[in-house]
Amino acid sequence: DAGVIQSPRHEVTEMGQEVTLRCKPISGHDYLFWYRQTMMRGLELLIYFNNNVPIDDSGMPEDRFSAKMPNASFSTLKIQPSEPRDSAVYFCASSLRGALSPLHFGNGTRLTVT
Amino acid sequence: DAKTTQPNSMESNEEEPVHLPCNHSTISGTDYIHWYRQLPSQGPEYVIHGLTSNVNNRMASLAIAEDRKSSTLILHRATLRDAAVYYCIRVNYGGSQGNLIFGKGTKLSVKP
Repeated sequence: DAGVIQSPRHEVTEMGQEVTLRCKPISGHDYLFWYRQTMMRGLELLIYFNNNVPIDDSGMPEDRFSAKMPNASFSTLKIQPSEPRDSAVYFCASSLRGALSPLHFGNGTRLTVT
Repeated sequence: DAKTTQPNSMESNEEEPVHLPCNHSTISGTDYIHWYRQLPSQGPEYVIHGLTSNVNNRMASLAIAEDRKSSTLILHRATLRDAAVYYCIRVNYGGSQGNLIFGKGTKLSVKP
């Protein structure tokens, strides 16, 4: 298995632009997570899905952030409009049984908003 | 709030054992202890987890105190590749299945 695949690896954009991050989970995993990591705040859980349904989005910072999972093999995290404070590394992870089983993380997308 | 307490940083010499402590004094009966680590420029990776008894796998051992208020992750022979941030996390098996909350972890440095 190729593991969790995220794209792009790096994204540089200007303030106000729309940014879309993509994630392909491990086949057969029913849970998908989006995390954000910054030096100041560490790893933060943004949202997670179970069977393509968003279960808890309380970590999404504001309405500029949205996440979708149209099918079991694909998820997106969108930021519109982007701001410099959104600069961070965004990780996607998947698992069989939520946090009860090991989460498998992708290599992340490093987002820089200028 | 499922918190744990870990030292900010630790140092080890290559090929020596490393004991990474974690305090979880308010742990409940349905909380498991999970450990993850994050190598530089990578996403976190699962290491090990346990409930009451000690656990071993190919990566590490987990020693859980009898009162479950603390635990220790043991790397039997540290290598340079083990330099990473190690996270000790309480996971409540009776609650939300998405509740994997990372703290600040322990940054382990390994000297050759």
